[in-house]
Amino acid sequence: DTAVSQTPKYLVTQMGNDKSIKCEQNLGHDTMYWYKQDSKKFLKIMFSYNNKELIINETVPNRFSPKSPDKAHLNLHINSLELGDSAVYFCASSQDPNGDTQYFGPGTRLTVL
Amino acid sequence: KQEVTQIPAALSVPEGENLVLNCSFTDSAIYNLQWFRQDPGKGLTSLLLIQSSQREQTSGRLNASLDKSSGRSTLYIAASQPGDSATYLCAVYPPSTDSWGKLQFGAGTQVVVTP
Repeated sequence: DTAVSQTPKYLVTQMGNDKSIKCEQNLGHDTMYWYKQDSKKFLKIMFSYNNKELIINETVPNRFSPKSPDKAHLNLHINSLELGDSAVYFCASSQDPNGDTQYFGPGTRLTVL
Repeated sequence: KQEVTQIPAALSVPEGENLVLNCSFTDSAIYNLQWFRQDPGKGLTSLLLIQSSQREQTSGRLNASLDKSSGRSTLYIAASQPGDSATYLCAVYPPSTDSWGKLQFGAGTQVVVTP
């Protein structure tokens, strides 16, 4: 039933490790996004894919790499984790990127020790 | 550069009172504006999307207005209930095609409705 789902919900890891977060949407949308919500609760876009093609790539360290195996999935891989990467990461989707309503997943809380 | 501001940062009201949440943006050239609700430890739930050509949108007890010329949107929640306690976020869509999908968020207004 869940429209946009993310796994895992919580992720606790050591500095220097590599980790992935997975996102799936069953809404039939063409566009998916990754957002980061920092400790001050500000939400900022990181990446967006439309029909499996990268269309938004904000100023994000290249340790972060999104991958879209198909339109329903958008994964986020993070290399060499740093303390500052600790945040809540949200996945979202919309029918198209042209101002359409975005639907968000429940978030993944990443804690880097 | 677009900046989105939400005032107040926090609000506490007794049950039954109407809620008025404000959102302002510095660049009036926006495409759409969306209001979200975020519950603690949860994701965002879309409440209302106002297109740039519209002046307001309504859904049940919620009404959102948009005045692009003054760079403001207001979310009204009538007859508040304890279940309305959450953080409310507004976000704007920039108009240019090379910025599609780049929702820009305010910091949110944390609302507590006391029984």
